[in-house]
Amino acid sequence: DTGVSQDPRHKITKRGQNVTFRCDPISEHNRLYWYRQTLGQGPEFLTYFQNEAQLEKSRLLSDRFSAERPKGSFSTLEIQRTEQGDSAMYLCASSLITTDTQYFGPGTRLTVL
Amino acid sequence: EDQVTQSPEALRLQEGESSSLNCSYTVSGLRGLFWYRQDPGKGPEFLFTLYSAGEEKEKERLKATLTKKESFLHITAPKPEDSATYLCAVQARAGNNRKLIWGLGTSLAVNP
Repeated sequence: DTGVSQDPRHKITKRGQNVTFRCDPISEHNRLYWYRQTLGQGPEFLTYFQNEAQLEKSRLLSDRFSAERPKGSFSTLEIQRTEQGDSAMYLCASSLITTDTQYFGPGTRLTVL
Repeated sequence: EDQVTQSPEALRLQEGESSSLNCSYTVSGLRGLFWYRQDPGKGPEFLFTLYSAGEEKEKERLKATLTKKESFLHITAPKPEDSATYLCAVQARAGNNRKLIWGLGTSLAVNP
């Protein structure tokens, strides 16, 4: 069990560019969550998958954000036309259906210039 | 609206000086309350899950307790390596989504 992994760990981009992040959950974990965290704040829920189905997306989430989990394993989070306000740490977590505990990856730090 | 409030925002302790962190919550039916530790620039690290009032969990120098309105994280004889931000989160019972609702955290510094 290698834990949740995320790639890249850091991303610097210019405003208006598209970025994509990848999350590999703990193997056999059915649920996968994306959160966003800014400095001094707790994580904010973005979206959630159960296997390959995206079951909920935060109403706060702009249409510029999209997430996929095509085979029920890894997931990608894409941000189109990035804005400076998108600068944050993007966290991925996974869990089993049978338990409630979520295990987090190291995060991807996004900086939009 | 489901909400989590943590206090204090920051706490500075001397090594060996025990203390408690507070997490107050309002949620429409509690499924579970979670404590995480977060080091700068890293993802949250799971510590404890508590499900019902009266429940207690312990791990090394940490002990978490739960009542119907709040949870405490007790730190006994802390060491400098316990310095981190401690985050509290709740899950609501309603619905299938297990999303976590978070507090802002308590930043703990333990001086040698």
